[in-house]
Amino acid sequence: EVQLLESGGGLVRPGGSLRLSCAASGFTFSTYAMTWVRQAPRKGLEWVSSIGSRGTYYIDSVKGRFAISRDNSKNTLYLEMTGLRAEDTAVYYCAKGSHISSAEPVSWGQGTRVTVSS
Amino acid sequence: DIQMTQSPSTLSASVGDRVTITCRASQSISSWLTWYQQKPGKAPQLLISRASSLETGVPSRFSGSGSATEFTLTINSLQPDDFATYYCHQYDVYPFSFGQGTKLEIK
Repeated sequence: EVQLLESGGGLVRPGGSLRLSCAASGFTFSTYAMTWVRQAPRKGLEWVSSIGSRGTYYIDSVKGRFAISRDNSKNTLYLEMTGLRAEDTAVYYCAKGSHISSAEPVSWGQGTRVTVSS
Repeated sequence: DIQMTQSPSTLSASVGDRVTITCRASQSISSWLTWYQQKPGKAPQLLISRASSLETGVPSRFSGSGSATEFTLTINSLQPDDFATYYCHQYDVYPFSFGQGTKLEIK
């Protein structure tokens, strides 16, 4: 059974940093693309970033501030977030793609909440 | 960037009804579209991939159709568990994008 467990969220001041982690199990992590999706309070879903065989990709609003990475030896996906802004406040979900070159979210974690506020 | 527009934003229906949600892409995305269901406080769940392929375990009353720029999600014979928010999502071109969501409410 696929399991994705996000951690690392919390309250941070504007301009601060956080590193989100997503521990994966139940599948061969290294052979799947992975994605981060966020959902601001009472808003819809927003794709943030993906990592797969063709590289890394970001929504414009986080380029230069967020970095996605993975450690296949630890079956863990990361999202390093710097220069955080109030508009980054959201629940962040990690999601497994359908294979290494296709990052559409197939299975989702339960999310970790990030609040950016002074 | 590709914009995904869902309609309607809110849909009121009764148990047993047949409903259709439309998703339009600002440019052709072939069939690279998924549909998700999300309930309050929960993570989204994948219903349909490649525009029309039903995921394992999803009831057959759900179906998807369309290609290029126009797609539909149809739910036949609505059940109480189906009242939720539905999102379409394109994964043809980066940056990926979601529709704004359709909230399906009990009439």
